[in-house]
Amino acid sequence: KAGVTQTPRYLIKTRGQQVTLSCSPISGHRSVSWYQQTPGQGLQFLFEYFSETQRNKGNFPGRFSGRQFSNSRSEMNVSTLELGDSALYLCASSFSDRLDEQYFGPGTRLTVT
Amino acid sequence: QKEVEQNSGPLSVPEGAIASLNCTYSDRGSQSFFWYRQYSGKSPELIMFIYSNGDKEDGRFTAQLNKASQYVSLLIRDSQPSDSATYLCAVRVDNTGKLIFGQGTTLQVKP
Repeated sequence: KAGVTQTPRYLIKTRGQQVTLSCSPISGHRSVSWYQQTPGQGLQFLFEYFSETQRNKGNFPGRFSGRQFSNSRSEMNVSTLELGDSALYLCASSFSDRLDEQYFGPGTRLTVT
Repeated sequence: QKEVEQNSGPLSVPEGAIASLNCTYSDRGSQSFFWYRQYSGKSPELIMFIYSNGDKEDGRFTAQLNKASQYVSLLIRDSQPSDSATYLCAVRVDNTGKLIFGQGTTLQVKP
């Protein structure tokens, strides 16, 4: 079974631009969660989608948004990029929204210059 | 107080020894607990999960959970140099997909 895939793997953007990242979960998985990982803050929860509905959102500004499609694929968008948005963005999928374990994709490395 | 706390290390053990990694959490309502391994430049890889008090063993790995003490640990037996990585403890506190991660413990296994 294929794992979680994320595209693109690497991205360089300029301050003020916007970016869209994509995540395809493991086949059959319906829950997709997004995390930001930085050396200073570690892994921080951004939001989680289940059956196209956002079920939870972390403490990030409104510039960070996401959505989930009917095939469970998910996208996250960051508008008006700031230097501090440079990070590894990780997507994780799980079978359902309850106690099931989450599996991470390879991540998208975003650099904002 | 941080919600999930881990000693950042590095924890250094000789090859073949037992490595013991510890994690404490603050929310008594926490429901499930996970250990991830992350190699430098890679994404986290799930290695163990535990939902009930007690021990859970999988190969060389044993996860231990004590909800009364709000403590979860990971034991790695017969440590190998390939086990050298950062180990992340994660806790789910509600019925959504939100995981709260500790800062991770760096493990070094010396040949």
